[in-house]
Amino acid sequence: AIRMTQSPSSFSASTGDRVTITCRASQSISSYLVWYQQKPGKAPKLLIYAASTLQSGVPSRFSGSGSGTDFTLTISGLQSEDFATYYCQQYYTYPLTFGQGTKVEIK
Amino acid sequence: EVQLLESGGGLIQPGGSLRLSCAASGFTFSSYAMSWVRQAPGKGLEWVSVISDSGGRTYYADSVKGRFTISRDNSKNTLYLQVNSLRGEDTAVYYCAKGVVVIDDAFDIWGQGTMVTVSS
Repeated sequence: AIRMTQSPSSFSASTGDRVTITCRASQSISSYLVWYQQKPGKAPKLLIYAASTLQSGVPSRFSGSGSGTDFTLTISGLQSEDFATYYCQQYYTYPLTFGQGTKVEIK
Repeated sequence: EVQLLESGGGLIQPGGSLRLSCAASGFTFSSYAMSWVRQAPGKGLEWVSVISDSGGRTYYADSVKGRFTISRDNSKNTLYLQVNSLRGEDTAVYYCAKGVVVIDDAFDIWGQGTMVTVSS
């Protein structure tokens, strides 16, 4: 199975900060990568698919980049509603696999 | 409104069985692949299984292969997961999720989840 490794696992940030989360795949997955946001007690929400395509309705402060094995999710201007856990997921091959998650906390 | 509503979870003893259901509404269910994803308490997301729009293709995580069976009834707009030989490590919230159009395995709609607790 393809292993997805996110970094960091957690960090603190302030409203207005630009933050970047990294996701690395154990082998090339082309651009078959998704990012989700999850808040406590809620289902995940799709943010980005195909590594860089913003899902309809998602604010433009979210952006994704990368291909092959290295990917990033950037939030330009963190808002209070963005404090959550973020997951990457590859859909290059089965079994589908997720990163372990990155928790963004309020500083 | 596009919606997925899971049911069927509960407290079950090790070795037991359950059938989880996911009722879909607000979209053409028969046109989309569907998946089950689970999340153990305080842990990350784990993909469990996928079924194609017609039901003709299925795939499973190694951790559930041979014990879980995914199916769907397009006439009832319902997805199922038969879970057998349950173990403690199967304790989790089970979500059903809808594939994005032309990307079966990225999920744009999720249910609220149903909790399965395996314990004696």
